[in-house]
Amino acid sequence: GENVEQHPSTLSVQEGDSAVIKCTYSDSASNYFPWYKQELGKGPQLIIDIRSNVGEKKDQRIAVTLNKTAKHFSLHITETQPEDSAVYFCAANPYNNNDMRFGAGTRLTVKP
Amino acid sequence: DAGVIQSPRHEVTEMGQEVTLRCKPISGHNSLFWYRQTMMRGLELLIYFNNNVPIDDSGMPEDRFSAKMPNASFSTLKIQPSEPRDSAVYFCASSPGASGHTGELFFGEGSRLTVL
Repeated sequence: GENVEQHPSTLSVQEGDSAVIKCTYSDSASNYFPWYKQELGKGPQLIIDIRSNVGEKKDQRIAVTLNKTAKHFSLHITETQPEDSAVYFCAANPYNNNDMRFGAGTRLTVKP
Repeated sequence: DAGVIQSPRHEVTEMGQEVTLRCKPISGHNSLFWYRQTMMRGLELLIYFNNNVPIDDSGMPEDRFSAKMPNASFSTLKIQPSEPRDSAVYFCASSPGASGHTGELFFGEGSRLTVL
């Protein structure tokens, strides 16, 4: 089955700096790669996703890149703000299968 | 629109007791998922349903766990008997896609279970 590894486990940045979180996956059949943000006491919420037919996707301050050959994908947050502080999860999902596997999470702290 | 609704939000029980967690998915969503979140194991998929039918329950830890979806608007996850190692946050999520169509999962706010 799919195995997703996520790094780093914790990340602290100064407000305004960029943050990068990296994930690798094992199943070459995976073709859908979402990123979720989980705030304290809440359920995870989708912030951006990418499918295997594209290499990069951007939404305002958030971007995701995908390298299918190397089986890794990354989340980039620019101009970080204190409200970006949360736990971020990457995930990978094979086509024709609802068994989405999550990474272990990255706790991002943005210091004002 | 109301999101995924889970109850109870918090449950404290004693070892050996039966625990029932409830979930109301978003209306019109075809798929429903139960996840468990712990510090040690992160987010684990326990079981998912498509059109009320259980598709994959290979993540259910053992026979003490069972899940049902009697209709499109309600699902339960039951633990009987409960054990301290079952302490975790249990999330229900729903998705508009049918089986084989991956897409966004909409999570509830979770049920935090503590088994003493």
